[in-house]
Amino acid sequence: KNEVEQSPQNLTAQEGEFITINCSYSVGISALHWLQQHPGGGIVSLFMLSSGKKKHGRLIATINIQEKHSSLHITASHPRDSAVYICAVSLTGNQFYFGTGTSLTVIP
Amino acid sequence: NAGVTQTPKFRVLKTGQSMTLLCAQDMNHEYMYWYRQDPGMGLRLIHYSVGEGTTAKGEVPDGYNVSRLKKQNFLLGLESAAPSQTSVYFCASSYTGTGGKVAFFGQGTRLTVV
Repeated sequence: KNEVEQSPQNLTAQEGEFITINCSYSVGISALHWLQQHPGGGIVSLFMLSSGKKKHGRLIATINIQEKHSSLHITASHPRDSAVYICAVSLTGNQFYFGTGTSLTVIP
Repeated sequence: NAGVTQTPKFRVLKTGQSMTLLCAQDMNHEYMYWYRQDPGMGLRLIHYSVGEGTTAKGEVPDGYNVSRLKKQNFLLGLESAAPSQTSVYFCASSYTGTGGKVAFFGQGTRLTVV
């Protein structure tokens, strides 16, 4: 049983398209995190949110606590957005739970 | 600030060999973690530490040992490597901010056991 489910697993988009990645979780959380991992690279935190919506450049993250669901949107996608996007949740204890990631490829 | 630094970045081991992965953070974080990342699976927690001198088992601790003798360092040891331990290993540290725990990750160590 996975506490965090992401969809889709793989996504290919044309440059300029609007992209949405979804995350659902089944546990009570203190915060939800969106992470980015470039091929062969480390993991970088994009957002941490516990309610509402956050925006950073072309990236927007939303969360609905009642529905236990979050979305990551990328507007005007670019090939440099190609990466694996990971949804993670942190609980009140010491641990994080991670989704399996969404592999995004943006074609020029 | 360097953030979270892992060494080495790549390593190939023969079955039965031992090695230690080093994680260092310069942010004075109390919490540190070791994860492994395998294809098709989310990051899985191996061991973690809530402070200097303390360690605890995570989801997949078998075959690994850890030590946190200094607050800034968290070592992951493989006493007798097995092919099943071929993976990418990530170290992380975290602190609790106003909105929750904020995590910082290292660049990863790609380990192959042959």
